Amino acid sequence: TQLLEQSPQFLSIQEGENLTVYCNSSSVFSSLQWYRQEPGEGPVLLVTVVTGGEVKKLKRLTFQFGDARKDSSLHITAAQPGDTGLYLCAGVKLNKFYFGSGTKLNVKP
Amino acid sequence: GAGVSQSPSNKVTEKGKDVELRCDPISGHTALYWYRQSLGQGLEFLIYFQGNSAPDKSGLPSDRFSAERTGGSVSTLTIQRTQQEDSAVYLCASSFTSGGRYEQYFGPGTRLTVT
Repeated sequence: TQLLEQSPQFLSIQEGENLTVYCNSSSVFSSLQWYRQEPGEGPVLLVTVVTGGEVKKLKRLTFQFGDARKDSSLHITAAQPGDTGLYLCAGVKLNKFYFGSGTKLNVKP
Repeated sequence: GAGVSQSPSNKVTEKGKDVELRCDPISGHTALYWYRQSLGQGLEFLIYFQGNSAPDKSGLPSDRFSAERTGGSVSTLTIQRTQQEDSAVYLCASSFTSGGRYEQYFGPGTRLTVT
């Protein structure tokens, strides 16, 4: 059983569109992270959110941690082909990382 | 600076043989994690080291899997009598904590194919 559920599993959009990826759980985490992974490489950390309700912006990416620290979202504005990849959320609890199943994003030029 | 390195990058082995996968973490990172990832899927936790000890081995799929870490640095994941279902990418990550934040850095992975 997956502790963190990600949705959607797959997303194929045109360049310039906006999108949101969700990461939900019934568990509380001390922090939550988002990673991006490209084929043949390990995941790369994008952001860590720690405080309930926290919002972080990284250029066109906006990350939000739910007030209860159980869920998170990643919003991408004006997606570009370079955003293509597998997006993974990971909740941190007692030194252990629980990963979601990932969202495969394909941005078509 | 040097990141997490893993070797080999690719390993093809025959069913029933033993394999050893190696991970060199970032210097100074006390925590080290092993994960398994099937094609394009999320990460499955295998084992976690804090220093040389493994407080959590709950993710190891069977007793054919074992791991050790020496000198608080290099770790090896050993799979004995490999099976076809062991085929996957094995990822290693090292981590530090800073102000309550756990920052995890991944290696490129070892792609294991069992024929």
